[in-house]
Amino acid sequence: RKEVEQDPGPFNVPEGATVAFNCTYSNSASQSFFWYRQDCRKEPKLLMSVYSSGNEDGRFTAQLNRASQYISLLIRDSKLSDSATYLCVVNIEGGAYSGGGADGLTFGKGTHLIIQP
Amino acid sequence: DGGITQSPKYLFRKEGQNVTLSCEQNLNHDAMYWYRQDPGQGLRLIYYSQIVNDFQKGDIAEGYSVSREKKESFPLTVTSAQKNPTAFYLCASSISGPPRVYNEQFFGPGTRLTVL
Repeated sequence: RKEVEQDPGPFNVPEGATVAFNCTYSNSASQSFFWYRQDCRKEPKLLMSVYSSGNEDGRFTAQLNRASQYISLLIRDSKLSDSATYLCVVNIEGGAYSGGGADGLTFGKGTHLIIQP
Repeated sequence: DGGITQSPKYLFRKEGQNVTLSCEQNLNHDAMYWYRQDPGQGLRLIYYSQIVNDFQKGDIAEGYSVSREKKESFPLTVTSAQKNPTAFYLCASSISGPPRVYNEQFFGPGTRLTVL
């Protein structure tokens, strides 16, 4: 069964610091990767997709390491508003969901990040 | 504004009752999904629909039912057969569904169901 593993944290980080966390996935056929952000008692919102070459969006950088089967998220100059749970999401493009088992989309349990003033 | 709406935000139900959660989207997305999230847990897929009048079971479909009579609507019924229905229910949609699941999913604000 495909799995996505994340360190649940919490990561307690001072404001302004750089923080990074990883997500490992077990299925080598995984092809699409995302980081979502979820605030307490709210819905997940897409933070960024993760491309093979790595990608950056402002203070956020996402990397993919296919050989070791993990993706990472780096947050620079952290802000108090970055406090949230970060969910790793892995898809298998071309795979088919099947009755009783959805093998196309897997969510990690999330990493809880707390930025302290 | 385009988006996904869910109602109600909070729902209380007596044990043994069926209840239906609403999900509507005006994004013109083909695919819609229902997830359940329990405290400290990841999202688990209940049902999904790739197109109108078609839907498939996810990982934890037992005790739930859905319909997809309109493109913009994908209601979820939590039946009395669901053993532990208290949870946070999230509806999502994407431009297209399986097998092309590269597109990101957009989530509604969720419905928090409590069984008394």
